[in-house]
Amino acid sequence: EAAVTQSPRNKVAVTGGKVTLSCNQTNNHNNMYWYRQDTGHGLRLIHYSYGAGSTEKGDIPDGYKASRPSQENFSLILELATPSQTSVYFCASGAQLGGLTGQLYFGEGSKLTVL
Amino acid sequence: QQKVQQSPESLTVSEGAMASLNCTFSDGTSDNFRWYRQHSGKGLEVLVSIFSDGEKEEGRFTAHLNRASLHVSLHIREPQPSDSAVYLCAMSVSSNTDKVVFGTGTRLQVSP
Repeated sequence: EAAVTQSPRNKVAVTGGKVTLSCNQTNNHNNMYWYRQDTGHGLRLIHYSYGAGSTEKGDIPDGYKASRPSQENFSLILELATPSQTSVYFCASGAQLGGLTGQLYFGEGSKLTVL
Repeated sequence: QQKVQQSPESLTVSEGAMASLNCTFSDGTSDNFRWYRQHSGKGLEVLVSIFSDGEKEEGRFTAHLNRASLHVSLHIREPQPSDSAVYLCAMSVSSNTDKVVFGTGTRLQVSP
């Protein structure tokens, strides 16, 4: 049973439109992450969160907002989508274990195409 | 900003031969390292975690960490066609943050 669920799995948006990618986890993990994956760049961190109400900037936050309204849910928001944001987006959850960052558990990805 | 480089970009091995993948990082502040596997169109699954210098084995997967040389490797013993996937190394940036960064990935093809 999938513990990290992303929606939608596929999305086509128009330039300038608003896109919201949603992520739900049933692992009861404090930490959640949003990455994008592009050929030649691997996985790049956009935003992450330590718990409900917290959001932190990752390495490439420009053009993205994040929202963590609850332990279970973490959303990635593109207020004004651009073609350069066409990518596959992955959500992950992880625990903090005795001061060490725990392994991440990933969703299956959301493929976003911005025309 | 922590940088992570993986090599080679792609690798083809025959079934049963050893596969070796490498990862180098830009500084020594990381406190834990993991190798993940990603089959085409899927999310990532963890293979092995390593927190101190030396070797860590999980089944056919063995990670080696050498912090002094800023290097972590993955060796896959007796690879099978089902091991064909992209392999990514990952590390937490430092003990003061839960930020996790990934390498660029190695695409492994195991031929029968």
